[in-house]
Order: sequence, then C-alpha cells, then structure tokens
Amino acid sequence: RKEVEQDPGPFNVPEGATVAFNCTYSNSASQSFFWYRQDCRKEPKLLMSVYSSGNEDGRFTAQLNRASQYISLLIRDSKLSDSATYLCVACDSWGKFQFGAGTQVVVTP
Amino acid sequence: DTAVSQTPKYLVTQMGNDKSIKCEQNLGHDTMYWYKQDSKKFLKIMFSYNNKELIINETVPNRFSPKSPDKAHLNLHINSLELGDSAVYFCASSPQRETGELFFGEGSRLTVL
Repeated sequence: RKEVEQDPGPFNVPEGATVAFNCTYSNSASQSFFWYRQDCRKEPKLLMSVYSSGNEDGRFTAQLNRASQYISLLIRDSKLSDSATYLCVACDSWGKFQFGAGTQVVVTP
Repeated sequence: DTAVSQTPKYLVTQMGNDKSIKCEQNLGHDTMYWYKQDSKKFLKIMFSYNNKELIINETVPNRFSPKSPDKAHLNLHINSLELGDSAVYFCASSPQRETGELFFGEGSRLTVL
C-alpha cells in the first residue's frame, strides 16, 4: 500500500468551473503537508502548503483532516492553465517527503 | 541563476554501463534528495542527505550510490545499469528537513537500452 494515495483522474473540468479532489496518507506521524503541481515533462513545483486550519491562496483552497488522515484541494474558477497533475505530499519528522502518484486535471474551453 | 541544477538532462546508455548524475544547489539549503519518477509518474524517494550526512536510504539496489562532497552537491552514481533503471531522476533540496518546501531540479531522463 502506498503511503500517500490519490485518485489518478483525469478530472475533466470546464473552464470557470470548480474542481475538488482528495488524497489520503497512512503515516499518522506525518507533520507537514503540501500540494505540488507538475506539468508534462517538467519538475514538480510547490503549489501551496496545507495547514491544519485550512488555507486559501487565490483560487486554491487546501484542507487537512488529521483525524481521517486526508488532504483536499479545491480549485475555483478553473483556468486552462490549471491543467496539470497535482501531487499530494506528506512529510515526516525525518524530512521524508512522500508523494502521491498525482491527480490529473484537464480544464477544457 | 538556476537554484537546483542537474547534469546531464538526458542520458541514453546501454545495459551494464555505469553512469553518474550530478546535482548542485545554490540556495544554501542543508538537505538534498534524489527522487526517481518512473513511467507511471510515481515519484519515489531514494536518498536524502543533511549536511553531507546520509539520513534517508530507501530500499534501493546497492548499484545506486549517492555521494555528497559538500552540502551544495549530491551526486548519484549507478553501476551495472538495467532496463528498469530507465526513469527521470530528480534532485531536490530543502531548507528545513521537517517542514521546508522542496525545490526540484529539472530532472535527468535516463534511458537504458
């Protein structure tokens, strides 16, 4: 079983719509959480950190539920440029960043 | 200025050969990593060094040997390459082990024929 599990998608989203997806993590000792974005044939880049109280960055909202060990990402008013693979990441106290396999989002005109 | 740079970006080689990938970061970070991304796009951690000390060593064949001459460099040497080693190898660095963001290099695409 992978330590971080994600729905691979693809999530096909009309431009302007809202899309949301989750990931679950198995290591209860995970301390910090992130969403990364990876474009085709590029390196992953940080989209946002995820805080216990939930946090928002423009059109992106992340939530963390430690009791159920899941993390969510919501994208509002989707843009064509949001098409990418979104990687969920959990990090433990040793600095081991565990990545999910990614959720593919395709925003269509 | 590239923050995390890897060389080479592309590597095509025959089975059985030995190859190295180099990584350098100019961010002043203490921690560096090697990740492998296979054809299914899953990013799997291989190694992590903190101030030149190996702190994470996942279940990786001992044909893979990392080396950190100083905290700004983390190289990866692979002996006796196999077909299954074909992947994109990403180097990354982080300012703090537990909570810091990971900064990735552009990746080194290794193809073993």
